Amino acid sequence: NAGVTQTPKFQVLKTGQSMTLQCAQDMNHEYMSWYRQDPGMGLRLIHYSVGAGITDQGEVPNGYNVSRSTTEDFPLRLLSAAPSQTSVYFCASRKQGTGNTIYFGEGSWLTVV
Amino acid sequence: LAKTTQPISMDSYEGQEVNITCSHNNIATNDYITWYQQFPSQGPRFIIQGYKTKVTNEVASLFIPADRKSSTLSLPRVSLSDTAVYYCLVGALGGGGNKLTFGTGTQLKVEL
Repeated sequence: NAGVTQTPKFQVLKTGQSMTLQCAQDMNHEYMSWYRQDPGMGLRLIHYSVGAGITDQGEVPNGYNVSRSTTEDFPLRLLSAAPSQTSVYFCASRKQGTGNTIYFGEGSWLTVV
Repeated sequence: LAKTTQPISMDSYEGQEVNITCSHNNIATNDYITWYQQFPSQGPRFIIQGYKTKVTNEVASLFIPADRKSSTLSLPRVSLSDTAVYYCLVGALGGGGNKLTFGTGTQLKVEL
């Protein structure tokens, strides 16, 4: 059981470039979300999804897009990268009926220069 | 959404019991209380979850008073490997609870 898998683990982008962070889970979880964590800070919610075809904004959605075409996948797209988006990104999932038991991926380190 | 307040940092020594308290004065009836542990360069890891009274598992205990406006994570006999950031999370699935947000956490440092 792989859990929550994120790719790539490390990425360097130039300002203005776009890219997609991939996230996949094999636990058949309904809920998936993306968080960012800046150095020495807590996690901030970017976008989340309660099921295939349904997404919604979190605390800091600007500059990011998401889609949920399948239960397993929840990619995060950076439309035009900015230095302020330099951060660690965590994908997470949880199953309905388990309270707040969230499973996190290992993180994707993104640097925008 | 219930806002949580935790101490920014705590220090302890190996073998001691550590108690980290989280305040959540506006907790809703359906909200669960969940604690996570995060090591540097890793994603947070679920530790324990409760709704009321006391919950215990193999790594920690969670104490929740009757009014549920606070909770205390208890780590028995900590070791150096327990040095991490601990997050208290309050919320529930459904309604506004899908938008689960984390506070700034408590940095626990365990020394010899």
